Amino acid sequence: AQTVTQSQPEMSVQEAETVTLSCTYDTSENNYYLFWYKQPPSRQMILVIRQEAYKQQNATENRFSVNFQKAAKSFSLKISDSQLGDTAMYFCAFMNSGYSTLTFGKGTMLLVSP
Amino acid sequence: DAGVTQSPTHLIKTRGQQVTLRCSPKSGHDTVSWYQQALGQGPQFIFQYYEEEERQRGNFPDRFSGHQFPNYSSELNVNALLLGDSALYLCASSSILPGLQYFGPGTRLTVL
Repeated sequence: AQTVTQSQPEMSVQEAETVTLSCTYDTSENNYYLFWYKQPPSRQMILVIRQEAYKQQNATENRFSVNFQKAAKSFSLKISDSQLGDTAMYFCAFMNSGYSTLTFGKGTMLLVSP
Repeated sequence: DAGVTQSPTHLIKTRGQQVTLRCSPKSGHDTVSWYQQALGQGPQFIFQYYEEEERQRGNFPDRFSGHQFPNYSSELNVNALLLGDSALYLCASSSILPGLQYFGPGTRLTVL
């Protein structure tokens, strides 16, 4: 079974600064997908970024980028130019290729302050 | 284009009762997955429906059952409710393209 570990329960950052959220995972599979989801207080789970394991290039979406280290089974999220609206719970998630079910970590609460 | 919708938003039940939660997938999606998110935890996979059949199931007891209708909407049923069933229940829909699941706003279930 796959496991996803987020070792930072809470993180704080000031507006306009950069913050990195950590995630490690364990799997014996070679083909899979990794995700970062954002869950603000409104509870809606929003997809932030997606990485396909067979792609060596790190995914980027505007201010959000990942550092994907397949050998180390590490998948961190970097948020640049943090904004107040980035305050939310962030979940790292894993999906096996061929399946379509997500395994989530416990989440990291990110607080962006003025 | 409507996204994933869920009803009701909130629900309060007592132990031993039964509950039904509903989900309508995003337009063009044919697969619905259900997740349970306990307070302070990440979501846990309950089961997934495709072509009106349960395709995959997580580690949940048989008290949790579901259904998918021809229009791809889905229901989650929980029988003999326990206090521990109190959680946010999330529905996610997807299509053939693997890896892209879109979530609804969730139903907050409180069992007293």
